[in-house]
Amino acid sequence: DTGVSQDPRHKITKRGQNVTFRCDPISEHNRLYWYRQTLGQGPEFLTYFQNEAQLEKSRLLSDRFSAERPKGSFSTLEIQRTEQGDSAMYLCASSAGELFFGEGSRLTVL
Amino acid sequence: AQSVTQLGSHVSVSEGALVLLRCNYSSSVPPYLFWYVQYPNQGLQLLLKYTSAATLVKGINGFEAEFKKSETSFHLTKPSAHMSDAAEYFCAVSVYIDNNDMRFGAGTRLTVKP
Repeated sequence: DTGVSQDPRHKITKRGQNVTFRCDPISEHNRLYWYRQTLGQGPEFLTYFQNEAQLEKSRLLSDRFSAERPKGSFSTLEIQRTEQGDSAMYLCASSAGELFFGEGSRLTVL
Repeated sequence: AQSVTQLGSHVSVSEGALVLLRCNYSSSVPPYLFWYVQYPNQGLQLLLKYTSAATLVKGINGFEAEFKKSETSFHLTKPSAHMSDAAEYFCAVSVYIDNNDMRFGAGTRLTVKP
């Protein structure tokens, strides 16, 4: 499969727990983006990387959110001390021009 | 900052009827505009994009959109709806050619009745 891959597809956690999502982009794409999508809304930009450099992170929702792309390939998005309001779909996209989206990781915080 | 507004969160058409999904944008500089489609439990797929080359843009699956600067609109149309067109459609705007800081509308859910 040469598309954008996200893992896990679904995550159910209790409030206060930490969660981590992984995104494997299309291999030749140097840009990688994270978005959040809540019910009834369009994707909301969170952060993006060019290779391993995180070029925009001011739109991360709080300091509980962090993202890494250590070797310029896969990326992780971590949410610490989850809250019920964090329940959403977290989308990853990669780009060498056009954005290609993964199928998303759905988070449910109980 | 740039933004888009999609008029109508739900649109229902009969199979074979015209599809019209409305999008208005706001941008202080010439924008790049996009339409994406999202099927249930899937990621977003690009339908078409406007990058200032031509005001009428043709995309996949028979969709097209026309950029109208005077109306700040980028409405999506398809002459004849098919059952497989039922999905969520998102309009998006970017002011950067590399699509950074792309802003999405809230989406329009299209239902196609037999």
